[in-house]
Amino acid sequence: LAKTTQPISMDSYEGQEVNITCSHNNIATNDYITWYQQFPSQGPRFIIQGYKTKVTNEVASLFIPADRKSSTLSLPRVSLSDTAVYYCLVSGAGSYQLTFGKGTKLSVIP
Amino acid sequence: GAVVSQHPSRVICKSGTSVKIECRSLDFQATTMFWYRQFPKQSLMLMATSNEGSKATYEQGVEKDKFLINHASLTLSTLTVTSAHPEDSSFYICSASARQGDTIYFGEGSWLTVV
Repeated sequence: LAKTTQPISMDSYEGQEVNITCSHNNIATNDYITWYQQFPSQGPRFIIQGYKTKVTNEVASLFIPADRKSSTLSLPRVSLSDTAVYYCLVSGAGSYQLTFGKGTKLSVIP
Repeated sequence: GAVVSQHPSRVICKSGTSVKIECRSLDFQATTMFWYRQFPKQSLMLMATSNEGSKATYEQGVEKDKFLINHASLTLSTLTVTSAHPEDSSFYICSASARQGDTIYFGEGSWLTVV
């Protein structure tokens, strides 16, 4: 069971790049890393998923080092609407239990 | 991304009654569905994992007779809170994946208030 650790909170000004790192020291070989965004009273929304190296989509980039014991979600030029809680989730075919960490509360300041 | 829908989004029920929450995968077949509970300002707590056609696997401390989970088809799972009490009031969220190990998509969540 891969436990994840993230910073509890982060503040950023509008227009800046934000990097949120997640530690998952006991990630299994078959596990993927997925990041979600959650607004109050809503279900988590899929942002990006990766296995190794770098993945980029229209909203974010995900950096995963070779040892895969951590991952970094990069949000370019954040806006006020990016204020939310961000969770990383490690899961795979062999991970029958999905445990969420505490998430990172990102506050974007005007 | 794939769409997972929950219904109702909000429900109020009287103490002692039962209430059912539905979770549907709208554009894919979900062999695996998950149910979570989330209290205000806390993280999601996994309650159970269900595979289509099989009995759900409950997390430690979750009462299987109180939180009945049915996953009778590849697009629908239901959570029934039986004999609800005020302490069952919470935000319930489901998620689904096409296969174990695939990307997991979440529903919008359902607020349950027991009065």
